[in-house]
Amino acid sequence: DVKVTQSSRYLVKRTGEKVFLECVQDMDHENMFWYRQDPGLGLRLIYFSYDVKMKEKGDIPEGYSVSREKKERFSLILESASTNQTSMYLCASRTGQGISGYTFGSGTRLTVV
Amino acid sequence: DAKTTQPNSMESNEEEPVHLPCNHSTISGTDYIHWYRQLPSQGPEYVIHGLTSNVNNRMASLAIAEDRKSSTLILHRATLRDAAVYYCILSRETSGSRLTFGEGTQLTVNP
Repeated sequence: DVKVTQSSRYLVKRTGEKVFLECVQDMDHENMFWYRQDPGLGLRLIYFSYDVKMKEKGDIPEGYSVSREKKERFSLILESASTNQTSMYLCASRTGQGISGYTFGSGTRLTVV
Repeated sequence: DAKTTQPNSMESNEEEPVHLPCNHSTISGTDYIHWYRQLPSQGPEYVIHGLTSNVNNRMASLAIAEDRKSSTLILHRATLRDAAVYYCILSRETSGSRLTFGEGTQLTVNP
């Protein structure tokens, strides 16, 4: 069964900490995505990556950066965590060839205190 | 990106068919229609997608209007496990295309 694995299901961090959210996929997918989901705001795209070492800003990139050094891994970095970054973070991947659906991970619920 | 409009919520009874509507009057010729669903405490799950013709898979059917300005996701026999938020999304299928999620339809399935 194909998988997108997010390293943590729940995470609690302090304000000002640098936070790394890791996402790994085992499907050899070119495209990877980071979303956050908040009540009343739905899923919003933070960053995405077409392929290794490539990245594009999504709709809400402020306060975040990403790293894609290997094809299977896409990391989301909160440079200095703030309370307004408390959210559910969802990683997804899809092939860059042809038409296909996204595969999402189960999410990381991050709380910044 | 072209916008979609879905009802906020719908209810169905178990083992009955469910028709989830989606309007997308500004769809362009290159937009694919995607459906995803999100069960509680999980990430979204791909359901089905199509361009012009109706599509069937093991999860659902997608009926696309002839003018493509609307579509309907059909669950043939709803089960309690189908209770979820269903998202209808348009996406241009280019390399690195992205999905923009709206609010979706909350489907409740009654026993």
